[in-house]
Amino acid sequence: NAGVTQTPKFRILKIGQSMTLQCTQDMNHNYMYWYRQDPGMGLKLIYYSVGAGITDKGEVPNGYNVSRSTTEDFPLRLELAAPSQTSVYFCASSYSARGGYEQYFGPGTRLTVT
Amino acid sequence: AQSVTQLDSHVSVSEGTPVLLRCNYSSSYSPSLFWYVQHPNKGLQLLLKYTSAATLVKGINGFEAEFKKSETSFHLTKPSAHMSDAAEYFCVVSDAGGADGLTFGKGTHLIIQP
Repeated sequence: NAGVTQTPKFRILKIGQSMTLQCTQDMNHNYMYWYRQDPGMGLKLIYYSVGAGITDKGEVPNGYNVSRSTTEDFPLRLELAAPSQTSVYFCASSYSARGGYEQYFGPGTRLTVT
Repeated sequence: AQSVTQLDSHVSVSEGTPVLLRCNYSSSYSPSLFWYVQHPNKGLQLLLKYTSAATLVKGINGFEAEFKKSETSFHLTKPSAHMSDAAEYFCVVSDAGGADGLTFGKGTHLIIQP
């Protein structure tokens, strides 16, 4: 059981380039999330999805886009990379958002924009 | 609105001595509370969670936490620290609200001295 997988593990982008961070889960969870983690900070929610075809903005959505065409996949798109997007990105999934269901996290993608 | 305050950014203990990581929360609803651990360059792993059942919650690797509503606290403890406990620990609150409901503390870096 792979859980939540993310690719790539590391990436260096030049300013203005674009890329897609991939996230896949095999637990048949409806809820999926993208977070960023900056040094000395907790995780900040970028976007989330409550099911295929449904996405919504989190706390820090500017500069990012998402799509959710299947239950398993939830890619995060950076269109015009900026140095402020240098961060570690985590994808997560959960069975539900209520009742204390935990979120399962992927291993993260470390992105540097120079 | 909900928020989490981890009272110490760094905690240093000697191997074999007790661990106390402090967390205070605020929530408009009956919250669910979690502690996650993040080892270097790894994703987040759930240690334990409180979901309005027993106020003393036992987790993995000998950790436990006590929910104290009167003090709005959810401190994490372990009787005897092990070198492998060195990691970043996040206190997380989820109220009864919507799908974006997780709020992370800024983390406590636990250092274990030999």
